[in-house]
Amino acid sequence: QSALTQPASVSGSPGQSITISCTGTNIDIGSYNLVSWYQQHPGKAPKLMIYEDTKRPSGVSNRFSGSQSGNTASLTISGLQAEDEADYYCCSYAGRSTFYVFGTGTKVTVL
Amino acid sequence: EVQLVESGGGLVQPGGSLRLSCAASGFIFSDYWMTWVRQAPGKGLEWVANIKQDGSEKYYVDSVKGRFTISRDNAKNSLYLRMNSLRAEDTAVYYCARSQRRLDYWGQGTLVSVSS
Repeated sequence: QSALTQPASVSGSPGQSITISCTGTNIDIGSYNLVSWYQQHPGKAPKLMIYEDTKRPSGVSNRFSGSQSGNTASLTISGLQAEDEADYYCCSYAGRSTFYVFGTGTKVTVL
Repeated sequence: EVQLVESGGGLVQPGGSLRLSCAASGFIFSDYWMTWVRQAPGKGLEWVANIKQDGSEKYYVDSVKGRFTISRDNAKNSLYLRMNSLRAEDTAVYYCARSQRRLDYWGQGTLVSVSS
């Protein structure tokens, strides 16, 4: 199972919106509405930001939103803030034997 | 409050063994699948293994099959990862996480370094 494809880096100015794409195949993203997104600050554990393509866990800012179409999922961060600077990983549930396939990761820089 | 605390990492020689532990609290441990995820230095996240609530089903990434064993003790609210025949490429921070077709809570991680 290959990793999902994400851009290596995305940047934006404070207040702007950015979108991170996550491309998989019809055996992972395309088969399940079960993409999740994780934020990871340096030296810290990943934090769940979006699950089941579009849902936000309690406590996560509504500036974070997710979408999915076909074999591609996306994470949008609106009203970019300095604290959003981190690595972001998508992840798709991929069935009972593979379970989780992660994306290659995207470094978000706030200019 | 959900808490996951890993322990057991360290420096080990190639071919050696190590057992990681993950102590869970703040939720009914026996109600959830559990997962190990690893992250090599400067690299991305990689799913390693999953175990069902009662331990009856276990799944592994191909690169660790036959070398790693995931297990759990629901009476002790603990998850384990036994790692044998360790290789340099197993060097990583290992995280335990609660699994619900997403990984909603993570521990802080424990570093495993495989080197001579």
